[in-house]
Amino acid sequence: QKEVEQDPGPLSVPEGAIVSLNCTYSNSAFQYFMWYRQYSRKGPELLMYTYSSGNKEDGRFTAQVDKSSKYISLFIRDSQPSDSATYLCAMSDSGGSNYKLTFGKGTLLTVNP
Amino acid sequence: DTEVTQTPKHLVMGMTNKKSLKCEQHMGHRAMYWYKQKAKKPPELMFVYSYEKLSINESVPSRFSPECPNSSLLNLHLHALQPEDSALYLCASSQQGFSNQPQHFGDGTRLSIL
Repeated sequence: QKEVEQDPGPLSVPEGAIVSLNCTYSNSAFQYFMWYRQYSRKGPELLMYTYSSGNKEDGRFTAQVDKSSKYISLFIRDSQPSDSATYLCAMSDSGGSNYKLTFGKGTLLTVNP
Repeated sequence: DTEVTQTPKHLVMGMTNKKSLKCEQHMGHRAMYWYKQKAKKPPELMFVYSYEKLSINESVPSRFSPECPNSSLLNLHLHALQPEDSALYLCASSQQGFSNQPQHFGDGTRLSIL
């Protein structure tokens, strides 16, 4: 079993839809959770950064962490064509000096006008 | 625009060439990273520098040689690369070298080996 599982999609939705992107993980030491957005031919852009369980909202984006289920989600409300990108979840442990992020494979999202 | 700047954006080189990739950040971050990303895959960590010292080398072949001249600059020297080394090379930085700090990525150098 991989440490982080993410459905690669592709996911295609109409403009204005609510999008739900998800990752599951197996390592209970993961405490810090990130979502990156990567446009074609660009580097990953940090969208959301959350610690442990709970929700965090930023504009149209909401990150949700459920540590009991080892499950994280990113919700995009009122999706726009400009949201079309690959979304990568990433997570890390309790902050030691091992530097490592563990990434999901990424989900390719297309929002159709 | 990202706060981590990488040059060049594209590079084509032969297997016998020597070239260098450059990364610069002015966020005052003290940890810098090199990643390799193949198409439709997540980034794979190659090297980590913390306070200008090499902290992690993820068993990367010696044809890749990193260098950190100062806290804002990171170079990746390339020599005798193989076609399978063609990929997007990403630089990232974080405030310090702890895994609980988010990493900020540049837009990468797209490298093609002929």
